[in-house]
Amino acid sequence: DAGVTQSPTHLIKTRGQQVTLRCSPKSGHDTVSWYQQALGQGPQFIFQYYEEEERQRGNFPDRFSGHQFPNYSSELNVNALLLGDSALYLCASSLGRTPASGYTFGSGTRLTVV
Amino acid sequence: AQKITQTQPGMFVQEKEAVTLDCTYDTSDQSYGLFWYKQPSSGEMIFLIYQGSYDEQNATEGRYSLNFQKARKSANLVISASQLGDSAMYFCAMREYTGNQFYFGTGTSLTVIP
Repeated sequence: DAGVTQSPTHLIKTRGQQVTLRCSPKSGHDTVSWYQQALGQGPQFIFQYYEEEERQRGNFPDRFSGHQFPNYSSELNVNALLLGDSALYLCASSLGRTPASGYTFGSGTRLTVV
Repeated sequence: AQKITQTQPGMFVQEKEAVTLDCTYDTSDQSYGLFWYKQPSSGEMIFLIYQGSYDEQNATEGRYSLNFQKARKSANLVISASQLGDSAMYFCAMREYTGNQFYFGTGTSLTVIP
C-alpha cells in the first residue's frame, strides 16, 4: 500500500521564479495538508484541501496557492520565489477529520532558491 | 505565544537506556490532541504516539510512552530501551479540534550512543 508520494524530491530554483510541487495522498485518504519546514525548525502549516477546496490556511502570503484534483492529489504553487522560501515542503494526507494516527506524511520536496 | 515548546535541542542516550524528551504546550481549547513524530534524515515524519486531552491514562505504543500532565500542560515522550535506529529528530505537535492544522515544536535531536 503506497503511502504519500511527493515529487520532485529535490528542486533548485532562481529567485523570482515559480514552482509547482505535487503530492499523491495515501490510498483511501481524501484530505491533503501542506507544511513548510525551514532548516532547524518544525513544520509550519500552509493550508489544507478537502473536496477540492481550501479548508484552512496558515499564515502564509498569497504567493502560496494550491489545488486539489478529483482524485485527491494536490499541488502547491509558489510564485515570485524568495531566498527565504528555501525549505522542505511536506505533504500530509488523512481521511476527513481523523485523529493523528490517520495523518500520513510524505518524505517531502527539498526546495532550494538561489 | 508558542503553542509547542521543546527546550532540548539535542539529547544523547546510551543504547538500551531510557530517555525522556520534554514538551510543553499552550492552548485554551478543552479538546485537543498531542502527538509525537520522528523525523529521520530522509525527511519523512513518522507518527509515534497520540494522546487525547480527555484520555485519563497515558498513551503507550511499544517502547514509546507519553507522560501526560494536563495541569502542567506537558506531554513528554519516554523511549525505553533505546536502539541505534532511534537516532533522529523528534517533534512534539498539537492539534486543537476546533481547527485542522498541527502546531509543531522546534524538535529535539536524539543521538543513541553504542
